[in-house]
Amino acid sequence: AQSVTQLGSHVSVSEGALVLLRCNYSSSVPPYLFWYVQYPNQGLQLLLKYTSAATLVKGINGFEAEFKKSETSFHLTKPSAHMRDAAEYFCAVSPSGYSTLTFGKGTMLLVSP
Amino acid sequence: DAGVTQSPTHLIKTRGQQVTLRCSPKSGHDTVSWYQQALGQGPQFIFQYYEEEERQRGNFPDRFSGHQFPNYSSELNVNALLLGDSALYLCASSHTEQGWNEKLFFGSGTQLSVL
Repeated sequence: AQSVTQLGSHVSVSEGALVLLRCNYSSSVPPYLFWYVQYPNQGLQLLLKYTSAATLVKGINGFEAEFKKSETSFHLTKPSAHMRDAAEYFCAVSPSGYSTLTFGKGTMLLVSP
Repeated sequence: DAGVTQSPTHLIKTRGQQVTLRCSPKSGHDTVSWYQQALGQGPQFIFQYYEEEERQRGNFPDRFSGHQFPNYSSELNVNALLLGDSALYLCASSHTEQGWNEKLFFGSGTQLSVL
């Protein structure tokens, strides 16, 4: 069975500061890992995905994530936050590209000027 | 490209009633998945349709059923509504040959309130 734990239901940063959203996973097989973003009143949008290739994955809007097998982590980072990054972020895990995704509970990112 | 469209955007029902939600996938996509997102939770997988058949199903009771039409659009039906069915229902489409869960495109969802 797969599971995802996102540490922190809310994260607050100042504009220009580093963004770090934490995700730890549990998987009995090498996982596929995803980060999705959900803006208010919108559906989820794929930010980036790890599918067993390079461990450092670059996504859209300047975000990236690093797969660390020893720590079972897939934390999302961005060097400098923008106001437009304020949204809810979901980490998800799947045993393959042909299996269902298991989502975490989400982390709301708040960006202050 | 219209992306994934869902209707209606909001719906209010009472306990015991039945509801039908609709989804049109992104152009070129042949696979439709439905998710339930309760308040403060991540999306939970309900089921997935491909070639007009249910291909995968999550841990949801039989009150939840679906259908996929030849044009790939889909419906989600929920019978005997309970208060706990109140949630945002998300539809996601993808292309099976590209790995049907590797890149999901989500609609904006239908907010269902059960009173």
